[in-house]
Amino acid sequence: EAQVTQNPRYLITVTGKKLTVTCSQNMNHEYMSWYRQDPGLGLRQIYYSMNVEVTDKGDVPEGYKVSRKEKRNFPLILESPSPNQTSLYFCASSWAPGVISPYNEQFFGPGTRLTVL
Amino acid sequence: AQKVTQAQTEISVVEKEDVTLDCVYETRDTTYYLFWYKQPPSGELVFLIRRNSFDEQNEISGRYSWNFQKSTSSFNFTITASQVVDSAVYFCALSAHSGAGSYQLTFGKGTKLSVIP
Repeated sequence: EAQVTQNPRYLITVTGKKLTVTCSQNMNHEYMSWYRQDPGLGLRQIYYSMNVEVTDKGDVPEGYKVSRKEKRNFPLILESPSPNQTSLYFCASSWAPGVISPYNEQFFGPGTRLTVL
Repeated sequence: AQKVTQAQTEISVVEKEDVTLDCVYETRDTTYYLFWYKQPPSGELVFLIRRNSFDEQNEISGRYSWNFQKSTSSFNFTITASQVVDSAVYFCALSAHSGAGSYQLTFGKGTKLSVIP
């Protein structure tokens, strides 16, 4: 089954304790990205990756790191989480955008609800 | 910079009424994609439709229809004969060139639709 998986689905942690949220897709997609969703603000892009070893900042990258060593994985790293990073996080993947293709919509993972105390 | 505006924060309709969700976008790119996603109370993001900037044909899919007008930079979504199961947050999104071969996906803040029985 084609899917994007995220782990963990729920996480409660404390300020300053490094954490990683994993994201994996099995569709051989080039493009992967991370979003955070906050009430009243919609979804905002944190980082995205056009392909392996190519990452770019989105609209709200501060406090986050990513890496893309393999095509299927795109982990989100919070080196020193703070309470303002409490949010619902979504990972997504798609075929390369910019290519006229009927298949370039983003497929989203189920979300990770993070609480930083 | 690209931007998506969903001016309606919340809409309530009575079941069987028609409802239109507005989406206005801004981009300097000539090649771009527009999307609508649905987020039901369960939280997942469900892809509804994609439209590229070269295809201004309106589309109908069952009770859903979309009106894409480049002249007004709008991509509105209409639900005909609304049902309680349509209650969700709906997001409009724009994928456009963000420089140096990269593409960024920008979401509107969403419109929460409540369909009252």
